[in-house]
Amino acid sequence: NAGVMQNPRHLVRRRGQEARLRCSPMKGHSHVYWYRQLPEEGLKFMVYLQKENIIDESGMPKERFSAEFPKEGPSILRIQQVVRGDSAAYFCASSFQGYTEAFFGQGTRLTVV
Amino acid sequence: GQQLNQSPQSMFIQEGEDVSMNCTSSSIFNTWLWYKQDPGEGPVLLIALYKAGELTSNGRLTAQFGITRKDSFLNISASIPSDVGIYFCAGQLGTGANNLFFGTGTRLTVIP
Repeated sequence: NAGVMQNPRHLVRRRGQEARLRCSPMKGHSHVYWYRQLPEEGLKFMVYLQKENIIDESGMPKERFSAEFPKEGPSILRIQQVVRGDSAAYFCASSFQGYTEAFFGQGTRLTVV
Repeated sequence: GQQLNQSPQSMFIQEGEDVSMNCTSSSIFNTWLWYKQDPGEGPVLLIALYKAGELTSNGRLTAQFGITRKDSFLNISASIPSDVGIYFCAGQLGTGANNLFFGTGTRLTVIP
């Protein structure tokens, strides 16, 4: 039973480009959470999605960031017009129900040059 | 947002020594969790605590949920090289991983 799969593991983008990060939850999980980890810091919640719905986006920056979790396929975190401050590790987690344990993926390390 | 302070920030210990780290907050949490993050990996849950005063063990790990619900500690006994990594506490309000607030981490180095 594969765990949470994130790709790519590493992503380099120039300032102004778009970054697309993908997350495939564990089999049978329909709840997905995205977190951001800046260097030397803890993880900070960004957005919580269930299939086709955004449940909680209280941690999402108001501009340039968006997330989706379509009926078919992985969840996508999209960052438009990236800036240097977007450089971070982005982690996805999934859970079976909203109140059950969430399991984290290995993360995508985004570097903006 | 919620602020969780972990101490120490980093530790260098000899293999076989015991380790203690703690986490404090100005806010009350319903649940405290401890995670370990290996280099280049995501956090893995070690221990979850659900009641004030609760003391829980998982092998060589022991964690306690503070009586005030604003703090928690993690102890590792008889450390081994594979204990190396970053340990994060997380406080949870209600249920759901969208209500997890992570500490700043304690980086542990074990010297063989």
